[in-house]
Formats: sequence, structure tokens, C-alpha cells
Amino acid sequence: ILNVEQSPQSLHVQEGDSTNFTCSFPSSNFYALHWYRWETAKSPEALFVMTLNGDEKKKGRISATLNTKEGYSYLYIKGSQPEDSATYLCARIYGGSQGNLIFGKGTKLSVKP
Amino acid sequence: EAGVTQFPSHSVIEKGQTVTLRCDPISGHDNLYWYRRVMGKEIKFLLHFVKESKQDESGMPNNRFLAERTGGTYSTLKVQPAELEDSGVYFCASSQRTGQSRESDTQYFGPGTRLTVL
Repeated sequence: ILNVEQSPQSLHVQEGDSTNFTCSFPSSNFYALHWYRWETAKSPEALFVMTLNGDEKKKGRISATLNTKEGYSYLYIKGSQPEDSATYLCARIYGGSQGNLIFGKGTKLSVKP
Repeated sequence: EAGVTQFPSHSVIEKGQTVTLRCDPISGHDNLYWYRRVMGKEIKFLLHFVKESKQDESGMPNNRFLAERTGGTYSTLKVQPAELEDSGVYFCASSQRTGQSRESDTQYFGPGTRLTVL
């Protein structure tokens, strides 16, 4: 099974709340995991490339962790702002592939002022 | 530096017609990918070019889809004849993918072309 699963499917939070989402994937033959932020009608924006088990990466109020042994990654947003409203996508690359991304369906975040 | 651009942004055509989508990758990026998102589903891989060569076209749905990358620069994706199920957002992405680090595999996406087949 090559599916990448994301949960929750959607999330509604108040401005100032901290939140997190999960990306689950088969742990075998892991190469890399990518996180993107996507607003409809715009280009998906690359957030992180996670490659090593235990990786933790941070970009402003957004951070991500990776567990390749158990096959999951968490994305955290601290102090959510309305401009964080978007769909957050994760995608993995398999070892030996040509680099094509296998995406989850995404988590749609709405932050109310 | 200009990002990945795609043209048109929207296309509405009737079943049976032909549509050609264009992608201009980031200058210097040898790797170019096409993806598609059908409503309610995940973004799915279609094919991958390295320069002008098709490296992997395992995601192409059928022979109604034809992708080209002339001279290793821009790429076109033609759908002929279009069917209702071809509706969706078609994304193009490019990367350097030098092999020096996995971080260089970052794929930079264009805004997509929203195709509606009536």
C-alpha cells in the first residue's frame, strides 16, 4: 500500500490557537517527506523537506517532525493566524523512484479571527 | 527569480475537444513534473521529464494524454479528445534535483491550470 494519509481532513480553530496535523505513510523504502502549504488558485508553497528519522524543522511559527520507523510526520502551527488558513499537503518520495511525489489529500485549516 | 508559470489558468472546453496546457519551469531546472488533482482527491503524479527526455510516464491515464518538452525548456500537455473525467487542476513542478542532497529535490509548483470539460 503506497497511500499517504492525512488527518484531520479539515480543522477550524480560533486565532491564537496552536494546532497540529498528522501525515501517515508506509515506513518501508523511505526517501523523503515533503510538506506544502496550498491556497486555492495559488502555487503550493514548499515548507519542509524531511529526510532523516527524528528530523525537526522550523519555519517561523510552523514546525514539523518526522518518524520514519513508525511512518508519520507531524506539522505544528503555534499561535494560528487567519493568514495560516490553507490546505496543508504532505507527500513522500520512495527510494529508487524518479522523485515523483505521492500526496495525501491534505488537511484544510481555517483560522477564525 | 521567476517561479513556475502555467498557461492558461483556466480552460473550459466541451467533451471531444482538444486542449493544450503549457508549463514554464524555473530557469535551470532540468526536472519537470506534471501532476493532476481531481476534485475531492489527492494530487496525483502524471509524468516526469529530465531535460527533454521522459523519465517516468507511469501516471499518464491513457493515450489521450500527450506530453512534450521541446529542447528541455517549457513543456506542453495535450489532452485529445477530452473526456468529462479529465476535469481537474493540472499542476506543473520543477526541481534542480542535483543528487547532492535530498533537500535539492524540493519541487516548486506552478499555480495550476483548472480544466473543466463539459
